[in-house]
Amino acid sequence: EIVLTQSPGTLSLSPGERATLSCRASQSVSSYLAWYQQKPGQAPRLLIYGASSRATGIPDRFSGSGSGTDFTLTISRLEPEDFAVYYCQQYGSSPRTFGQGTKVEIK
Amino acid sequence: EVQLVQSGAEVKKPGESLKISCKGSGYSFPIYWIGWVRQKPGKGLEWMGIIFPGDSDTRYSPSFQGQVTISADRSISTAYLQWSSLKASDTAMYYCARRSPNSSSWYFDYWGQGTLVTVSS
Repeated sequence: EIVLTQSPGTLSLSPGERATLSCRASQSVSSYLAWYQQKPGQAPRLLIYGASSRATGIPDRFSGSGSGTDFTLTISRLEPEDFAVYYCQQYGSSPRTFGQGTKVEIK
Repeated sequence: EVQLVQSGAEVKKPGESLKISCKGSGYSFPIYWIGWVRQKPGKGLEWMGIIFPGDSDTRYSPSFQGQVTISADRSISTAYLQWSSLKASDTAMYYCARRSPNSSSWYFDYWGQGTLVTVSS
């Protein structure tokens, strides 16, 4: 089973700042990586698939990069609604797995 | 508009059985895989398994194989997650989600609102 390790666990930033979230896989998943956003009391929402493709309706301040074992989700300028928990998920091999999440909180 | 609507919250005792549901609308239900994801209180997401309603082909994550049963009834556009004997450790929010139609794309593009299952004596 591929283990995804997200870092940092918590990111404390102010609105307008840049957020950089990391997801590292225990073995290569090629570009088969997705990112989700989850706000309190809500279901997750797909942000990025294929490591770098934005899902429908996702603002362009969200971008994804990486391949193999190292991936990054970047939020160029944090908006108030972006403070949430972010999960990566690999679909390069079975079983599909999620990372443990990174919480982006208001500083 | 694609929607996945899940059944309501449940409170059960250990040892009881349970079946929760997820009804899809706004798309052709039989031809999209539907998965289930567990989220324990204050914790992360866990991929449980996935089913293709068209022929009921089902894949389970090893951690959940034998612990739950995933099924679907294409005639009423509904997927199910069931337990035969609940444990306190099954207390969690359970989400259903639709797999993206893109080839080789085992990620979820639409999610249900979640069903909270509480197991307590």
